[in-house]
Amino acid sequence: EADIYQTPRYLVIGTGKKITLECSQTMGHDKMYWYQQDPGMELHLIHYSYGVNSTEKGDLSSESTVSRIRTEHFPLTLESARPSHTSQYLCASSEYASEDTQYFGPGTRLTVL
Amino acid sequence: KNQVEQSPQSLIILEGKNCTLQCNYTVSPFSNLRWYKQDTGRGPVSLTIMTFSENTKSNGRYTATLDADTKQSSLHITASQLSDSASYICVVTDRGSTLGRLYFGRGTQLTVWP
Repeated sequence: EADIYQTPRYLVIGTGKKITLECSQTMGHDKMYWYQQDPGMELHLIHYSYGVNSTEKGDLSSESTVSRIRTEHFPLTLESARPSHTSQYLCASSEYASEDTQYFGPGTRLTVL
Repeated sequence: KNQVEQSPQSLIILEGKNCTLQCNYTVSPFSNLRWYKQDTGRGPVSLTIMTFSENTKSNGRYTATLDADTKQSSLHITASQLSDSASYICVVTDRGSTLGRLYFGRGTQLTVWP
């Protein structure tokens, strides 16, 4: 089982709140990713990082932001949550390029009321 | 347009039976194809990975095939168990960019009944 962790696992909050979804991995992987997944739909890449101080936006436009201050930590922040942000957020990491196998965390199920 | 299509969308089988899931893709240039298993409420876990030159790859009761000419892959599950109930996702990586972009299918939701 992969050593990649996400907290919280479930989060229900009201509109307008600021939230941070945590993601940590202990495998020393340089590459980390955030995906958004709605029920029955494919995963969409929203952010990725090649290493410390490197962050890029993915294919799906997202109002969230990310930071990569430490190799093992890749948090995602929503400054003002809205109901449209309700989704499952999955964090992943890989050793080198995204051609390598990506190891996924358990996900955070976010519900914005 | 690069796409990954999976069929069927959902499948119900009885415990002990075999099943085959399909994946068709249009991703080009092709780098590799993976099958992931995603349990409900969990992140995907890699089952197999195949490159252009590989036709078959097995992982226990899971056997994946790849036909790079027709751009088709299948995942065969033998002697299904209740724990096989999950979504199976086909993921194709291109090699046309430095990122090595991943294209995800929507998955096949498999339910195994006792």
